[in-house]
Amino acid sequence: GAGVSQTPSNKVTEKGKYVELRCDPISGHTALYWYRQSLGQGPEFLIYFQGTGAADDSGLPNDRFFAVRPEGSVSTLKIQRTERGDSAVYLCASSFTGNTEAFFGQGTRLTVV
Amino acid sequence: KQEVTQIPAALSVPEGENLVLNCSFTDSAIYNLQWFRQDPGKGLTSLLLIQSSQREQTSGRLNASLDKSSGRSTLYIAASQPGDSATYLCAVDGASGAQKLVFGQGTRLTINP
Repeated sequence: GAGVSQTPSNKVTEKGKYVELRCDPISGHTALYWYRQSLGQGPEFLIYFQGTGAADDSGLPNDRFFAVRPEGSVSTLKIQRTERGDSAVYLCASSFTGNTEAFFGQGTRLTVV
Repeated sequence: KQEVTQIPAALSVPEGENLVLNCSFTDSAIYNLQWFRQDPGKGLTSLLLIQSSQREQTSGRLNASLDKSSGRSTLYIAASQPGDSATYLCAVDGASGAQKLVFGQGTRLTINP
């Protein structure tokens, strides 16, 4: 596609529910990143994929968060047993390979009520 | 641990002025420094990427410089326009070989007509 696409753009869920956020990177980009941005803050790193494998998941806050990229293209960020503190904008980015220019999607605004 | 600081946190100037946004980082072993623009409720738009071997990059009215040894970058905006109003974020990657971006908190810029 022309850019990084994230769906849904907004998600409201009840505390304790499970959510999935989807990212469709730029075609041909092998590197894919997930970040989380709270209001008034810069984005914070969650996980980095090179191809199908998670090369660095050091930013995932706890084991309720999990991400996959089974075919090396689309990625899904999965959050179990959501908490109100998970409310944030979740941003996905892709780049041709690691340490090259990153391009971001529009984000998914997650609200846990 | 890499830390990125942006000063000032907010800046308001009249239209037509030239301005400088500042970014500093604690670990000089970076691959790239990237400047982004973020409009309210939107994702990040890449403005400029400076590789560690470069000292500056230019795009239109924007010029970004990098002094890796001192851990500093500046974004210069010439002849500011109201459409430049946004939050500007700088980010670095590659510190200690990590292929992830570490962001500052951003500078919220307002250009007054």
